[in-house]
Amino acid sequence: QKEVEQNSGPLSVPEGAIASLNCTYSDRGSQSFFWYRQYSGKSPELIMFIYSNGDKEDGRFTAQLNKASQYVSLLIRDSQPSDSATYLCAAEMNRDDKIIFGKGTRLHILP
Amino acid sequence: EPEVTQTPSHQVTQMGQEVILRCVPISNHLYFYWYRQILGQKVEFLVSFYNNEISEKSEIFDDQFSVERPDGSNFTLKIRSTKLEDSAMYFCASSGRAGTGVMNEQFFGPGTRLTVL
Repeated sequence: QKEVEQNSGPLSVPEGAIASLNCTYSDRGSQSFFWYRQYSGKSPELIMFIYSNGDKEDGRFTAQLNKASQYVSLLIRDSQPSDSATYLCAAEMNRDDKIIFGKGTRLHILP
Repeated sequence: EPEVTQTPSHQVTQMGQEVILRCVPISNHLYFYWYRQILGQKVEFLVSFYNNEISEKSEIFDDQFSVERPDGSNFTLKIRSTKLEDSAMYFCASSGRAGTGVMNEQFFGPGTRLTVL
């Protein structure tokens, strides 16, 4: 059974600080990894994707991938109250394959 | 910016009735998906569709479910005889831009909330 595991939180971070979200995946054959943001009652919104080991930066977001440890993380710098949401980590075996989602981590940015 | 659209936003039905959920994927995408999310639970894959046929389906996608691309733009999910446990948010997604070799992210529609009474 292919699994993506995340701490459900909530993770509380003061405004302006760095929020660090983590996930692990069970299937070593997974190729691509995604971070989606989901506000309550809304659909998942793609934030970042990564498929190479190392870091990938996009604005205030940095995704990190370590395939040897089967570990993916998302850093959010200068956290804003609008970043308060559930962050879903997801893994994909092959391009355009189904996505396996984790349960999500609830992030709460404290003003 | 192009986006996936879904109708209706909310569907209420009686147990045993048939429902059809509709999606219009992003126009130049080639791969289409349905996912569902039961309240408070994780997003679960139902089915993927490519080249006018199902490419993969999950255990959830039993004989009560079917998908169709009736024309060049719509992608539908039919549930033949709804059960109480079918109550969930149903998300359509699309990916795979034709003619590109780059990573193909899946973009999700706003969802249809299905309530089975």
